Amino acid sequence: GQQVMQIPQYQHVQEGEDFTTYCNSSTTLSNIQWYKQRPGGHPVFLIQLVKSGEVKKQKRLTFQFGEAKKNSSLHITATQTTDVGTYFCAGEGAGANSKLTFGKGITLSVRP
Amino acid sequence: NAGVMQNPRHLVRRRGQEARLRCSPMKGHSHVYWYRQLPEEGLKFMVYLQKENIIDESGMPKERFSAEFPKEGPSILRIQQVVRGDSAAYFCASSRLVADTQYFGPGTRLTVL
Repeated sequence: GQQVMQIPQYQHVQEGEDFTTYCNSSTTLSNIQWYKQRPGGHPVFLIQLVKSGEVKKQKRLTFQFGEAKKNSSLHITATQTTDVGTYFCAGEGAGANSKLTFGKGITLSVRP
Repeated sequence: NAGVMQNPRHLVRRRGQEARLRCSPMKGHSHVYWYRQLPEEGLKFMVYLQKENIIDESGMPKERFSAEFPKEGPSILRIQQVVRGDSAAYFCASSRLVADTQYFGPGTRLTVL
């Protein structure tokens, strides 16, 4: 079955540093979505990428979908303590009626 | 437009009791998903339902767990004879179309004593 992988599971950065994390799928995806879960909260949708090579920005966050539509990256510029949380990617398979498969997430901590 | 609602938010049960978790999807959403999240772990898919139908239950334990999404009313995740290992946060999500953006509820945090 389809697998979506996020490694590592935890990352610690100093406030102000940049942060990049990656998401890799075992199969080609039709789209990929990113969610953020704050400590004690629930996952919240951030963005969806559909086109090969697509890049989208949300303030300091930059999301990219790979050319082969099998991987994605999230880059945060100049991290802030408000960026703390777990970031999940979720990929939809390319077949009909494919469901969304979530990665295990990466938990980001930011040292002030 | 109310978001996904889950209740109760916190549930405490003793070993052997039953736990019933409820989820009301967003208005206009007919697809419901249940996930389990253990402390310090990611989201584990359990089951995907559409109105009155279980579409995919590949992540659901074969025993003690069941889910339904009746024509009227909320989706229910039922755990019979709970054990300590069932302690977790259970999130429900809904979407308008299959594999569309999923909107998550606040979760039910189950503690089994």
